[in-house]
Amino acid sequence: GEQVEQRPPHLSVREGDSAVIICTYTDPNSYYFFWYKQEPGAGLQLLMKVFSSTEINEGQGFTVLLNKKDKQLSLNLTAAHPGDSAVYFCAVSTSGGNYKPTFGKGTSLVVHP
Amino acid sequence: EAAVTQSPRNKVAVTGGKVTLSCNQTNNHNNMYWYRQDTGHGLRLIHYSYGAGSTEKGDIPDGYKASRPSQENFSLILELATPSQTSVYFCASGDAGGMAETLYFGSGTRLTVL
Repeated sequence: GEQVEQRPPHLSVREGDSAVIICTYTDPNSYYFFWYKQEPGAGLQLLMKVFSSTEINEGQGFTVLLNKKDKQLSLNLTAAHPGDSAVYFCAVSTSGGNYKPTFGKGTSLVVHP
Repeated sequence: EAAVTQSPRNKVAVTGGKVTLSCNQTNNHNNMYWYRQDTGHGLRLIHYSYGAGSTEKGDIPDGYKASRPSQENFSLILELATPSQTSVYFCASGDAGGMAETLYFGSGTRLTVL
């Protein structure tokens, strides 16, 4: 079945720095890709869902890149601020099986003022 | 207002005891899910449901049962709790089904089994 590797597990940056989280997946029949954000003490909330192309969400200050050739998905925060501190999860859905997403293990991001 | 509500927020149970975790959603979604979250494992799917009366096994169903008596409610039941079931449990509802489905999560239940 699908395997999703997410790195790094922990990331610490200064306010204004960029931050990059990368997920690699194995199943070539993967079609939908998700980034979720989990703030302390809360459940996961969808950041973005992508299907086939680079998506840019400028309002929230991040970019999601999808490289199907290399089976890689990345979340790029261009200028991190303390409010971005959270745990981030990628998730991948495939066309096989029951379509349920496979989650990465998460990245704990801390943005220092 | 929270659309997926879990109760209790925290629970301490004894080994061998019965534990019921409850979830209520006001999204009117057909699909609902139970996950557990552990350090080093991320989120793992325990049970899910396609609608009232249906329950399906996820990736790690052993030691857990699920019940979906209505569209809004989905429970996770530990008949004989063990310390290995100490974890944070999340309920979610799904908006569309299929590969494009977005999940809406509750705030979690922290379960400690002594």
